[in-house]
Amino acid sequence: DVKVTQSSRYLVKRTGEKVFLECVQDMDHENMFWYRQDPGLGLRLIYFSYDVKMKEKGDIPEGYSVSREKKERFSLILESASTNQTSMYLCASSFVGGAWGYTFGSGTRLTVV
Amino acid sequence: QKEVEQDPGPLSVPEGAIVSLNCTYSNSAFQYFMWYRQYSRKGPELLMYTYSSGNKEDGRFTAQVDKSSKYISLFIRDSQPSDSATYLCAMSEGSSGNTPLVFGKGTRLSVIA
Repeated sequence: DVKVTQSSRYLVKRTGEKVFLECVQDMDHENMFWYRQDPGLGLRLIYFSYDVKMKEKGDIPEGYSVSREKKERFSLILESASTNQTSMYLCASSFVGGAWGYTFGSGTRLTVV
Repeated sequence: QKEVEQDPGPLSVPEGAIVSLNCTYSNSAFQYFMWYRQYSRKGPELLMYTYSSGNKEDGRFTAQVDKSSKYISLFIRDSQPSDSATYLCAMSEGSSGNTPLVFGKGTRLSVIA
């Protein structure tokens, strides 16, 4: 069964901490994405990557960075966590173009206190 | 005007009812249309996929695309309590490009036994 695995289901971090969210896919997908999901706001794209070492800003990149050193792994970094970054974070992957749809991970519920 | 509009609900129906979920969109270049189902505290999973206009049926689910009206629908027949979830529509211009999918905000559905 194909999978997108996010390293943590729940995280609690303190304001100002540097936070790493890890995502690994085993489908040899070229594309990987990071979203956050908040009630009433839907899915909002933070960053995406179409190739190793390549990244593109999404709709809300401020306060975040990403790293993709290997094809199967895409990391989201919160440089200095703030309470307004408390959210559900979802990683997804797809083949080139993504027209066949994305495969999502189960999500990481991050709380910043 | 947002690219994709979706009524957030919540929508509550009795078990056995026919459910109709809808999205409208403004970008006439969209060609690939998807429906995702998301259970509480889980990542979205791809439910239905349609290319261009027409209908696609899979068991109790039917996806319908009307490109002339820029309107897509998901019908659920004989709805079950296990169908209670948030349903998100998503769209793409095509497989050759690398433009991320555009998602609706989701409709929360509750099927009452």
